[in-house]
Amino acid sequence: DVVLTQTPPTLSTTIGQSVSISCRSSQSLLDGDGDTYLNWLLQRPGQSPQLLIYSVSNLESGIPNRFSGSGSETDFTLRISGLEAEDLGLYYCMQATHAPLTFGGGTRLELK
Amino acid sequence: EVQLQESGPGLVKPSQSLSLTCSVTGYSITSNYWAWIRKFPGNKMEWMGYINYSTSTSYNPSLKGRISITRDTSKNQFFLQLNSVTTEDTATYYCARSITPDYWGQGVMVTVSS
Repeated sequence: DVVLTQTPPTLSTTIGQSVSISCRSSQSLLDGDGDTYLNWLLQRPGQSPQLLIYSVSNLESGIPNRFSGSGSETDFTLRISGLEAEDLGLYYCMQATHAPLTFGGGTRLELK
Repeated sequence: EVQLQESGPGLVKPSQSLSLTCSVTGYSITSNYWAWIRKFPGNKMEWMGYINYSTSTSYNPSLKGRISITRDTSKNQFFLQLNSVTTEDTATYYCARSITPDYWGQGVMVTVSS
């Protein structure tokens, strides 16, 4: 199975700051069709996970553009510019290139 | 608006079967992919499997043949059955749409305990 390693496990920050979360894959996530199926999700406290970004850098509908994704092959980054209170929670990367689909271990974003 | 809602028992005894239903509104399950995903205590997430528009299924090999996902198009529902459960199957179970899960249910917490 593809192992996704997220760092850091916890990120303590303040409102208005910019933060980055890393996701490293044990295998290339570049699919034979040329796409890279690496997604980012946010789970706010008490809520279901929510899709933020799909295929590395595509913003899901309704997601503010302070969220951005980048990367290729095995190294990916989620960046949040100008953190807002509603951004706090648990962030996951997940890959859908290789079966079975797998998730990273999560990064908890909290206030300092 | 697409909405998913899980339902099923919150407590299951070891060695028994866990059965959950996902009711979908606002979108037909005869299109797209429909998945079950679970989150264990401690944040670990696991994709369990899916059923697609043509009733093809794909399961996580880690579940070792204990899983079955089926559907009822007349009710726009799909189902999870997990057999021979142990305490390690205690988790919050989510249903979701698509391989890139863009819509999720609210989740149902299932405890396996005698």
